[in-house]
Amino acid sequence: NAGVMQNPRHLVRRRGQEARLRCSPMKGHSHVYWYRQLPEEGLKFMVYLQKENIIDESGMPKERFSAEFPKEGPSILRIQQVVRGDSAAYFCASSPLNSGLEDEQFFGPGTRLTVL
Amino acid sequence: AQTVTQSQPEMSVQEAETVTLSCTYDTSENNYYLFWYKQPPSRQMILVIRQEAYKQQNATENRFSVNFQKAAKSFSLKISDSQLGDTAMYFCAFMKAPSGTYKYIFGTGTRLKVLA
Repeated sequence: NAGVMQNPRHLVRRRGQEARLRCSPMKGHSHVYWYRQLPEEGLKFMVYLQKENIIDESGMPKERFSAEFPKEGPSILRIQQVVRGDSAAYFCASSPLNSGLEDEQFFGPGTRLTVL
Repeated sequence: AQTVTQSQPEMSVQEAETVTLSCTYDTSENNYYLFWYKQPPSRQMILVIRQEAYKQQNATENRFSVNFQKAAKSFSLKISDSQLGDTAMYFCAFMKAPSGTYKYIFGTGTRLKVLA
């Protein structure tokens, strides 16, 4: 059973460009979480999605950031018009929920975004 | 709102010795989960140990154990017989349960270096 997959692992963008980060949850998982880790800091929650629904986006910046988890395909975190402050590692996690294991999330390897 | 505090930015320990990493948290909830995650230089988030707040018995996983003091809102991690492979960032995390959003609240981390 493959783990949570994220791509790309490294992404370089110039200021003003768009960044698209992809996350494929573990097989059988239908709940996805995105976290951001700024340099030398802990992970901060951004958004929680189920298939075709955003459940909690309380940690997502109001502008330029959006997330989706379509019925088919990976979850996408999209950052428009990137700025240098968006440089960070973005982690995706997934969980099965409704299976008695709702207390644990499984993390992907992260995407390191660098904005020049 | 919940907060998690790790007051030790860096620690070091000699190989084969024991080290304790501290974590305190603030919540008004009675039911929740607590976790310790390890992040080695690869940046992969690896679950080390977890504790359900309703369980009085401290969790143990091989060389890793916790000292959970619910009244004091303290959740320290003890690593026995430290190994070079334990060198990593360690993050303490809180999850309210059942919450409907299941997001982690992370501390800022402790960088642990195991010395040969």
